[in-house]
Amino acid sequence: GAVVSQHPSRVICKSGTSVKIECRSLDFQATTMFWYRQFPKQSLMLMATSNEGSKATYEQGVEKDKFLINHASLTLSTLTVTSAHPEDSSFYICSARGGNPSSYEQYFGPGTRLTVT
Amino acid sequence: TQLLEQSPQFLSIQEGENLTVYCNSSSVFSSLQWYRQEPGEGPVLLVTVVTGGEVKKLKRLTFQFGDARKDSSLHITAAQPGDTGLYLCAGTEETSGSRLTFGEGTQLTVNP
Repeated sequence: GAVVSQHPSRVICKSGTSVKIECRSLDFQATTMFWYRQFPKQSLMLMATSNEGSKATYEQGVEKDKFLINHASLTLSTLTVTSAHPEDSSFYICSARGGNPSSYEQYFGPGTRLTVT
Repeated sequence: TQLLEQSPQFLSIQEGENLTVYCNSSSVFSSLQWYRQEPGEGPVLLVTVVTGGEVKKLKRLTFQFGDARKDSSLHITAAQPGDTGLYLCAGTEETSGSRLTFGEGTQLTVNP
């Protein structure tokens, strides 16, 4: 159980275009999903937290108009990188947390490698 | 200043050796998780500890949560090349709801 998928696994796009990444919880309902980015040889940096049906909460320094997050259902959250630039190239990872309030655990997707040329 | 200080950042050892990775903070955590991540993949949860002083074992891995819930350690006995990877500690502060804060990670290489 507790499987999270991401799509696509890799994407290459041109500078100025937008890219959408999907995160799905396959076998549980995720009341909260999280989006992280990770640069090579570094740890994960939280970008935003999204709860189903409400607006995402962004971390300091993360542009909400550039990184659009939608959490329309209990099993799907999307991250859209708008007007992508080469500096947005990174490994984007989502995680999902179930509805049990006593559960601290987050389950991570396999990540999406974004390369902006 | 990193909320969770993880050390060492890099560790290269020979097969069969033991090692310990530390995760320290001045904050109190409701829970602390340890993950292992391979290149190009997402982190995989190894263990969650929630009680001060708690010790959990997973085969050759032993996880400990400090009595004050501010620190944790991961000990690997008789390391194998298959243990190679990035080990990440992550904690949920008592005041942060479900938000996870990650340590910097420890890149472990076990040489055959």
